[in-house]
Amino acid sequence: GDSVTQMEGPVTLSEEAFLTINCTYTATGYPSLFWYVQYPGEGLQLLLKATKADDKGSNKGFEATYRKETTSFHLEKGSVQVSDSAVYFCALRGLNTGNQFYFGTGTSLTVIP
Amino acid sequence: KAGVTQTPRYLIKTRGQQVTLSCSPISGHRSVSWYQQTPGQGLQFLFEYFSETQRNKGNFPGRFSGRQFSNSRSEMNVSTLELGDSALYLCASSLDGQGVHEQYFGPGTRLTVT
Repeated sequence: GDSVTQMEGPVTLSEEAFLTINCTYTATGYPSLFWYVQYPGEGLQLLLKATKADDKGSNKGFEATYRKETTSFHLEKGSVQVSDSAVYFCALRGLNTGNQFYFGTGTSLTVIP
Repeated sequence: KAGVTQTPRYLIKTRGQQVTLSCSPISGHRSVSWYQQTPGQGLQFLFEYFSETQRNKGNFPGRFSGRQFSNSRSEMNVSTLELGDSALYLCASSLDGQGVHEQYFGPGTRLTVT
C-alpha cells in the first residue's frame, strides 16, 4: 500500500543554517505530494505541494521537488529562522478521487539563535 | 472563508465515559477526515466521510465511530474511554472531485482521559 517515510528527528539547527528534511514515498502511479507544518498548540498547515513529477513546490523560503526516479520529496530551506521551529510532515495522496492521505511520522525542528 | 472549526477545544473525561467531538469543514468542502495525534504514535488516520458516507477507515477499534451530516459537518464519538485515548484529535476537510485537493486542518480537540 501507499506510505511515506520521513527522516527521524529531532533536528536542531542554528539560525541561518541550511535545512533538509528527507521524505521518500511508496505509491502506485503518480500521487500528489505535500509538506505540512505544525506549530506548537496548533493544527497542521499546508506548507507546499507538488502534483506531478519534476514539479517544485515552494512557500515561505521552503521548497521541495517531486522526484519520480528516486520517489522522494525532500524539504529544503536555505536559511532557517527561529520562527521555523515546528514539526514538519510529509504526505501523499493518490490521484484517484476518494484516495486517502498518508502522512509521515513528522520531523521536529528546533532553530536556536 | 472561515477555516475548519472544531469544538470543544479541550475536554477532560473519565475512563469508561463516552465523548463526542464536532467538526465544521470549510464551506463547500464535502470530505472530512479525522486523525488522532499522540507523542508516541504520531498522526494516525481514523476515518474519512464524504457525502454522509464513510469512504475510508483506519485501523481503530469499533469504539471509535463517526458520522457526517447533510451540511458536511461531522462528529466523531469515542465510547468506553481508555487512558490511551488521551490525544489531540484533528479534523481536516478537502474540496473533493476531479483531481487532488489538499486537506485543511482545524486546531484540534485536546482530549484528556483520567
